[in-house]
Amino acid sequence: EDQVTQSPEALRLQEGESSSLNCSYTVSGLRGLFWYRQDPGKGPEFLFTLYSAGEEKEKERLKATLTKKESFLHITAPKPEDSATYLCAATSGTYKYIFGTGTRLKVLA
Amino acid sequence: NAGVTQTPKFQVLKTGQSMTLQCAQDMNHEYMSWYRQDPGMGLRLIHYSVGAGITDQGEVPNGYNVSRSTTEDFPLRLLSAAPSQTSVYFCASSRQVSSYEQYFGPGTRLTVT
Repeated sequence: EDQVTQSPEALRLQEGESSSLNCSYTVSGLRGLFWYRQDPGKGPEFLFTLYSAGEEKEKERLKATLTKKESFLHITAPKPEDSATYLCAATSGTYKYIFGTGTRLKVLA
Repeated sequence: NAGVTQTPKFQVLKTGQSMTLQCAQDMNHEYMSWYRQDPGMGLRLIHYSVGAGITDQGEVPNGYNVSRSTTEDFPLRLLSAAPSQTSVYFCASSRQVSSYEQYFGPGTRLTVT
């Protein structure tokens, strides 16, 4: 059964303290791995798509990487406005996207 | 572009009542989907559509119906509401059928008493 697992469930960082969020996946024939940001009371907002192992994408303080078993979202020198829940999702191309339960990130000033 | 819109934003129903959650997108996206989000469960797929006139079940379809008569609209119908359907519902759309990022609406918070 296809599965996506995120860790940790919650993370508290001081402003400027870099860290990484993990997304482990078990998906037959991965066609895409997605990262989203979700603010309280809002819908998820797309961040990155990764298609193959070794691929990396960056946006401001965020960098997403992909291996054959997991993806990492690296946050460099985070700011309080980076506080949100970060969701990972995967698809094998069967019209269905499988989401992890997310990592709640809190960045303290 | 308004993107993906959902109405209503909040709704309270009594057990047994029916209602329709509205979803529309103005990006000419082929793929649309409905998810529910519950604490500790993540987003779970209810139904999806790969184009007008084509719908299929997701992971948790029981108690819900959908239809897609136009590219733009994808309403979700609750046939007979139950307390277990208390959740936050998100509609999403994607440019093509698979392997592309989804764009989400703002959500509908539904409470069934």
